[in-house]
Amino acid sequence: GAVVSQHPSRVICKSGTSVKIECRSLDFQATTMFWYRQFPKQSLMLMATSNEGSKATYEQGVEKDKFLINHASLTLSTLTVTSAHPEDSSFYICSACSGRDYNEQFFGPGTRLTVL
Amino acid sequence: GQNIDQPTEMTATEGAIVQINCTYQTSGFNGLFWYQQHAGEAPTFLSYNVLDGLEEKGRFSSFLSRSKGYSYLLLKELQMKDSASYLCAVMDSNYQLIWGAGTKLIIKP
Repeated sequence: GAVVSQHPSRVICKSGTSVKIECRSLDFQATTMFWYRQFPKQSLMLMATSNEGSKATYEQGVEKDKFLINHASLTLSTLTVTSAHPEDSSFYICSACSGRDYNEQFFGPGTRLTVL
Repeated sequence: GQNIDQPTEMTATEGAIVQINCTYQTSGFNGLFWYQQHAGEAPTFLSYNVLDGLEEKGRFSSFLSRSKGYSYLLLKELQMKDSASYLCAVMDSNYQLIWGAGTKLIIKP
């Protein structure tokens, strides 16, 4: 099956700093990547959808200036949490689909962000 | 609005069978997914149903009734490693996944 990686897997940072999370599709070209956030004991919440070479589409209530998404190539999308605060602490998960088949999203392993 | 309902938690015994139900109301339908998620990990794909009926894959089976807005995931011969959350998700007319809150399955020896 298709493999998606995320880096870093875990990050702890001070309040006010920015954190960049990378999502890579390792063995396929991902025309669309999705960024999710999951708080403890809650379901996945879609933050934004990004298509290679175009601006991301953000879900209602997600601040695009705080969560910067760049999908610069068909294998890489990045999420930057700017001026992170403790309430941004969460599990961030990316997923990717190849565009050939919208039936399956391949998930990265997730990034645990803790903001002190 | 769009809504996915599934039980919050279920308990079953090792070796037994358990059925996890999911009902949905969405704007359009392009398939229903079941994912397994262990604590602290990302979801992993289990099954996809777009037509009515039962899809069997080893110990896991998934059923769909589009007219009833209903699906279930059936797990047979339960193993301790099956303890996880099981997420039901529906792809709507915009090809977006609408996620249920997940069912935490606890397996007891």
